[in-house]
Amino acid sequence: GIQVEQSPPDLILQEGANSTLRCNFSDSVNNLQWFHQNPWGQLINLFYIPSGTKQNGRLSATTVATERYSLLYISSSQTTDSGVYFCAVPTSYDKVIFGPGTSLSVIP
Amino acid sequence: DGGITQSPKYLFRKEGQNVTLSCEQNLNHDAMYWYRQDPGQGLRLIYYSQIVNDFQKGDIAEGYSVSREKKESFPLTVTSAQKNPTAFYLCASTYKTQKRLFFGSGTQLSVL
Repeated sequence: GIQVEQSPPDLILQEGANSTLRCNFSDSVNNLQWFHQNPWGQLINLFYIPSGTKQNGRLSATTVATERYSLLYISSSQTTDSGVYFCAVPTSYDKVIFGPGTSLSVIP
Repeated sequence: DGGITQSPKYLFRKEGQNVTLSCEQNLNHDAMYWYRQDPGQGLRLIYYSQIVNDFQKGDIAEGYSVSREKKESFPLTVTSAQKNPTAFYLCASTYKTQKRLFFGSGTQLSVL
């Protein structure tokens, strides 16, 4: 089945710094989602991005479907950005599977 | 308010006991999903349902059962056959055609 990888697995940033998270997938997909899981476990859907680039405030995402990867950019990071970031893709059987996540810690 | 409600927030299971986790959504979503998350790990799919009265096994269905008698409800039963049930359980839903997932706040299940 389709494999999803994320890098880096862990990231520590000083508040105000920028970062790029990457998601690679092994097969073609017709959409990709990015999620943020806060320290209390709540998962928030950040982007639904089959292709191209989308922006939402300090966050933006780019998916290059033909090359099977997506990037999540976080600019001017804040402590509230801490948590785990997951990407997720659908499979041919209507399942949605998740990557292993990137754990982000933003320190003041 | 529209959303996905999971209950209870915390649940304790005695050995040999079946327990049921509730998931209700009022978003009129077609599909619903159950995921399991172990500490420091990603999400693994237990079961999913695209329509009422139909559901499919995910990657780790053994020891779990579900039902989908109503569009808005998708309860998960953790049976005594699940030998390592301690985990954080997340329910999600989406429109069938789009598959943009929205999650409930989760249930933490622990074994006494």
